[in-house]
Amino acid sequence: EAQVTQNPRYLITVTGKKLTVTCSQNMNHEYMSWYRQDPGLGLRQIYYSMNVEVTDKGDVPEGYKVSRKEKRNFPLILESPSPNQTSLYFCASSSPREGGSYEQYFGPGTRLTVT
Amino acid sequence: AQSVTQLDSQVPVFEEAPVELRCNYSSSVSVYLFWYVQYPNQGLQLLLKYLSGSTLVKGINGFEAEFNKSQTSFHLRKPSVHISDTAEYFCAVLRTGTASKLTFGTGTRLQVTL
Repeated sequence: EAQVTQNPRYLITVTGKKLTVTCSQNMNHEYMSWYRQDPGLGLRQIYYSMNVEVTDKGDVPEGYKVSRKEKRNFPLILESPSPNQTSLYFCASSSPREGGSYEQYFGPGTRLTVT
Repeated sequence: AQSVTQLDSQVPVFEEAPVELRCNYSSSVSVYLFWYVQYPNQGLQLLLKYLSGSTLVKGINGFEAEFNKSQTSFHLRKPSVHISDTAEYFCAVLRTGTASKLTFGTGTRLQVTL
């Protein structure tokens, strides 16, 4: 089954404690992105990657890091989480080669709470 | 840069009534247009998309949307809603020729009641 998986699904942590949210896709997609969803703000892109070792900032990259060492994985790293990073996070993947559909496939989300 | 405006944050409607969720966008370049749906406690699922061709596009679950280039709109419609359509709906745009960044609107919560 084609899917994007994220782990963990729920996480409660304290300010300053480094954490990583993993994202993996099994569709051989080139593009992967991280978004955060906040009430009244919709989804905003944090970082994206166009292929292995190619990443770039989205609209709200401050406080986050990413890496793309393998095509299927795109982890999101919060080196020193703060309460304003409490949010719902989504990973997504896509490929313009899929008949030009440009559809983004989303993971189930990770709800992060930073106290 | 592009932006998306969803004018209604909440739309209450009775079951079997028609509904329209409004979406306007702004962009200096050509864009692709999408509607995604998010059911409670779930991720986002594609409802429909406009890439080119016919301006009336049909999606899943009986939804359709019409692309209006002159009004830069992409409103979502359904002639008769069901309780199960209760969800949050997001309009999004993607610059043509790239799959890197989807710009979302702030979402419209559709609440269907009996």
